[in-house]
Amino acid sequence: AQTVTQSQPEMSVQEAETVTLSCTYDTSESDYYLFWYKQPPSRQMILVIRQEAYKQQNATENRFSVNFQKAAKSFSLKISDSQLGDAAMYFCAYRNTQGGSEKLVFGKGTKLTVNP
Amino acid sequence: DTGVSQNPRHKITKRGQNVTFRCDPISEHNRLYWYRQTLGQGPEFLTYFQNEAQLEKSRLLSDRFSAERPKGSFSTLEIQRTEQGDSAMYLCASSLSRDGGYTFGSGTRLTVV
Repeated sequence: AQTVTQSQPEMSVQEAETVTLSCTYDTSESDYYLFWYKQPPSRQMILVIRQEAYKQQNATENRFSVNFQKAAKSFSLKISDSQLGDAAMYFCAYRNTQGGSEKLVFGKGTKLTVNP
Repeated sequence: DTGVSQNPRHKITKRGQNVTFRCDPISEHNRLYWYRQTLGQGPEFLTYFQNEAQLEKSRLLSDRFSAERPKGSFSTLEIQRTEQGDSAMYLCASSLSRDGGYTFGSGTRLTVV
């Protein structure tokens, strides 16, 4: 079974600085999707960025980028120029591309605090 | 596009009572998912519908849990004979395709007392 591990329960960053959130996963599949979701306090979960395993190029969405290391099964999220609105729980998630299952497997999350 | 809507937002119930939650997905999304999230954890998959067909169920979904999606539109999740361990946030999500990310609702927070 696939597992996702986020080893940093909490992280903090100064406004305008850069922070990297770590994620590792375990799978025997060769093709899959990886996601980072953001969950602000008492608000709904929002997709931040998505990476397809067969694509070697790291995904980027504005201030958010990933460092995808397939061999190491690592998928970290870098947030540049951090803003107060980035404060939230961040969840790393995995999903197969093959087979019938469409479930997302989530990590336990990293709570990000942004200090003014 | 009004997003994924979940009702109620909060539900407090006594142990042993039955509860039902509703999820209205984005109208053109044919895929609908239910997840459960307890404090300090990431969401855990419960079940998945494509249109009206329930295609996948987690082993977490005990006999006390049932989900439906009649006519492939809204979905309901019912928990019978609630237990304190059922206290959690129940999240609904929908998507248009297998390849895309989900759109989540704001969730229903269940407290069993």
